[in-house]
Amino acid sequence: SQKIEQNSEALNIQEGKTATLTCNYTNYSPAYLQWYRQDPGRGPVFLLLIRENEKEKRKERLKVTFDTTLKQSLFHITASQPADSATYLCALGLNNNNDMRFGAGTRLTVKP
Amino acid sequence: ETGVTQSPTHLIKTRGQQVTLRCSSQSGHNTVSWYQQALGQGPQFIFQYYREEENGRGNFPPRFSGLQFPNYSSELNVNALELDDSALYLCASGWDRGITGELFFGEGSRLTVL
Repeated sequence: SQKIEQNSEALNIQEGKTATLTCNYTNYSPAYLQWYRQDPGRGPVFLLLIRENEKEKRKERLKVTFDTTLKQSLFHITASQPADSATYLCALGLNNNNDMRFGAGTRLTVKP
Repeated sequence: ETGVTQSPTHLIKTRGQQVTLRCSSQSGHNTVSWYQQALGQGPQFIFQYYREEENGRGNFPPRFSGLQFPNYSSELNVNALELDDSALYLCASGWDRGITGELFFGEGSRLTVL
């Protein structure tokens, strides 16, 4: 069966450390993968996209990797801040018409 | 702000009733997708509309239907409501075959079915 698994429901880290979130998938062949941030009671907000032929993407303090052999993406937030506390969702793009399949998310808490 | 607005923000219905949720997409976007997000879960793809036609559907029964209008506003209709339909319903707009594939989400409509 098809699955998208994010490594843990919750991740707690200290301010200034690097947060690493994992997204593993089974029986999908995504053309691209996206990461979104979702705050409580709000809609998801797009952060980064990485395509199947790309290994790594960076945007400011964010870095995402994509390993199609391992069927895994890693999402890193360096120099984390309490304002980074939110739920982070990975989403697989199955084709070019914005058909996205989401994982359940990882709730990140950054403690001062 | 994503420029995507949804209404109503909250509503309560009883089992068996019908509901219509509305979405106004960001100007210039030509696709609109609807997602259902249960508490503690990720968004689940219901369907997408492109140029007023359904252009992909997730694993949802036919009692979930939609419309997209020429001005790229959209509706999600759910008939014969069930208790399990209680969720946050998210609308997301984007560009067909856009370079980034980015989706712009609204803040959602929270539906409670009693």
